[in-house]
Amino acid sequence: DIQMTQSPSSLSASVGDRVTITCQASQDISNFLNWYQQKPGKAPKLLIYDATNLETGVPSRFRGSGSGADFTFTISSLQPEDIATYYCQQFQNLPLTFGGGTKVEIK
Amino acid sequence: EVQLVESGGGLVQPGGSLRLSCAASGIIPSDYYMDWVRQAPGKGLEWVGRSRNRPNSYTTEYAASVNGRFTISRDDSGNSLYLQLDSLKTEDTAVYYCALSRSHFDAFDIWGQGTMVTVSS
Repeated sequence: DIQMTQSPSSLSASVGDRVTITCQASQDISNFLNWYQQKPGKAPKLLIYDATNLETGVPSRFRGSGSGADFTFTISSLQPEDIATYYCQQFQNLPLTFGGGTKVEIK
Repeated sequence: EVQLVESGGGLVQPGGSLRLSCAASGIIPSDYYMDWVRQAPGKGLEWVGRSRNRPNSYTTEYAASVNGRFTISRDDSGNSLYLQLDSLKTEDTAVYYCALSRSHFDAFDIWGQGTMVTVSS
């Protein structure tokens, strides 16, 4: 199985700050990576697909980059509504696997 | 509007069984792969398994942690997805989501609201 290591597990930042989350795969997964946002008590929401593509309707302050085994998710200017847990997910192979999540809080 | 609605969760004893359902509307579900993803309380997301679409004969795949205990199926119309949970363990306690990749391969852009399964004596 492909292991997805996400870091940090949590972070606290101020409104307007740039936030960066990393996701490392245990092997080369090309660009077969997605990013999700999950708010408490809600289902996850797709933000980024194929490592770099912004899902329709998602604000442009969200950005994904990387390929191979190392990926980055960035919020360019943190907003109060971005408080959530973020997950990466690989789809190079079954089983699909998710990173452990990054909980983003406002400082 | 595309919607997935899960049902069937509840409290069950270890070793027991439960059947979850996922009803789809706003799309032709038989055209799509449909998956189950679960989330234990306070934990991350775990893929449970998949039913491929009608052209792929609704074939299934499972995570190792549930293989042999859980069974994914669809009704004859392909419009509803089921997850039969047998030989349940306490570690199966989770919110179970059905999810679907409508626009991008293996990127879940449609999720249900989830149904809670609690395995406890």
